[in-house]
Amino acid sequence: AQSVTQLGSHVSVSEGALVLLRCNYSSSVPPYLFWYVQYPNQGLQLLLKYTSAATLVKGINGFEAEFKKSETSFHLTKPSAHMSDAAEYFCAVSRGYSSASKIIFGSGTRLSIRP
Amino acid sequence: GAVVSQHPSWVICKSGTSVKIECRSLDFQATTMFWYRQFPKQSLMLMATSNEGSKATYEQGVEKDKFLINHASLTLSTLTVTSAHPEDSSFYICSAFYGLDQETQYFGPGTRLLVL
Repeated sequence: AQSVTQLGSHVSVSEGALVLLRCNYSSSVPPYLFWYVQYPNQGLQLLLKYTSAATLVKGINGFEAEFKKSETSFHLTKPSAHMSDAAEYFCAVSRGYSSASKIIFGSGTRLSIRP
Repeated sequence: GAVVSQHPSWVICKSGTSVKIECRSLDFQATTMFWYRQFPKQSLMLMATSNEGSKATYEQGVEKDKFLINHASLTLSTLTVTSAHPEDSSFYICSAFYGLDQETQYFGPGTRLLVL
């Protein structure tokens, strides 16, 4: 079975500060990992994904994440937060090798940016 | 990138009525689509997997007779909430795999349903 745990339901940082959103996964097979962002009353937008290639993955809007198998982690970072980064962020895992693969979502982390 | 649309974006209905939500893949074919529901301040919960030309696969605990899914074409899946009740009020989101990228789901903008 696969699962995802996001540590911290709410993270608040100052504008210009480092953003770090934590995600740990559990999977019995090599996982595919994703970070999605959701703005209020909108669907999900893919930020980045890990699919067993490079362990450091760069995504849109300056975000990146590093896959660490030894720590079963896939934390999301951004060097300098912008006000527009305020949103809900979801980490997700799938098996990925089948077009019918289900995605399991974490509980989400709400990111707030202080002026 | 892949674009998935949903219609309507929001709907208000009376208790006991049925509501149909459409999910369309724009400019690409989607043999598999997924339907999720999201309660306020919660994560997405998979309701069912919609397969073109065959019956949908429902997750445990989801009433297939209440949430009817039809995937009649490669670009359209519909979710019908039958005899809706206030507890069915939620944010419903669909997703689809895009073309050769069978690794990533692309999500629609969601449909907010309010049952009075």
